Amino acid sequence: EPEVTQTPSHQVTQMGQEVILRCVPISNHLYFYWYRQILGQKVEFLVSFYNNEISEKSEIFDDQFSVERPDGSNFTLKIRSTKLEDSAMYFCASSEGLRVEEQYFGPGTRLTVT
Amino acid sequence: SQKIEQNSEALNIQEGKTATLTCNYTNYSPAYLQWYRQDPGRGPVFLLLIRENEKEKRKERLKVTFDTTLKQSLFHITASQPADSATYLCALDGQGDNQGGKLIFGQGTELSVKP
Repeated sequence: EPEVTQTPSHQVTQMGQEVILRCVPISNHLYFYWYRQILGQKVEFLVSFYNNEISEKSEIFDDQFSVERPDGSNFTLKIRSTKLEDSAMYFCASSEGLRVEEQYFGPGTRLTVT
Repeated sequence: SQKIEQNSEALNIQEGKTATLTCNYTNYSPAYLQWYRQDPGRGPVFLLLIRENEKEKRKERLKVTFDTTLKQSLFHITASQPADSATYLCALDGQGDNQGGKLIFGQGTELSVKP
């Protein structure tokens, strides 16, 4: 069964460093998402991406964040200058369509900023 | 602002019983509602989707109801098994005319099924 994959599973970085989180969505899916979950809190939407551009983004997704689909398979989330409060699980998701569609989540990348 | 609430307390039930989880929302008119399962340290896994014009949806031992008047969804697991132990998340579309596919999640209810 096709699944969303994410690398690395755990990333430790120092405050102020740049990190890139990688995702490979399900191959025939057209819509891609990033969510994050701070320990013990809700899953929060960050950004959605379709046709090589951002469809929607949340207030969390400020200028420090960017997304890219550098080739036909990868979808990346970059945080330019990490802060302590960026420590969280980051989930990539994809869906075949947009409206009224279930989303398939990856296993997540645990980001720890020290 | 939009608000989604799920039972904050963990639900403990005996194997074989029916588990019922609640999702309430306010200041909101979602076009659909989804339920996901999340195991510790893992990503959410889609279970069921119900649209605003549907009252009930079933899949194997799972049943979801959606009452847009009460602004509430109930999620039932019948003949529960210890393997059903997990956190269950309610998720709504970000806006009634959402164009970006955003999901808004509740905080989840932890279910523990004892043998």
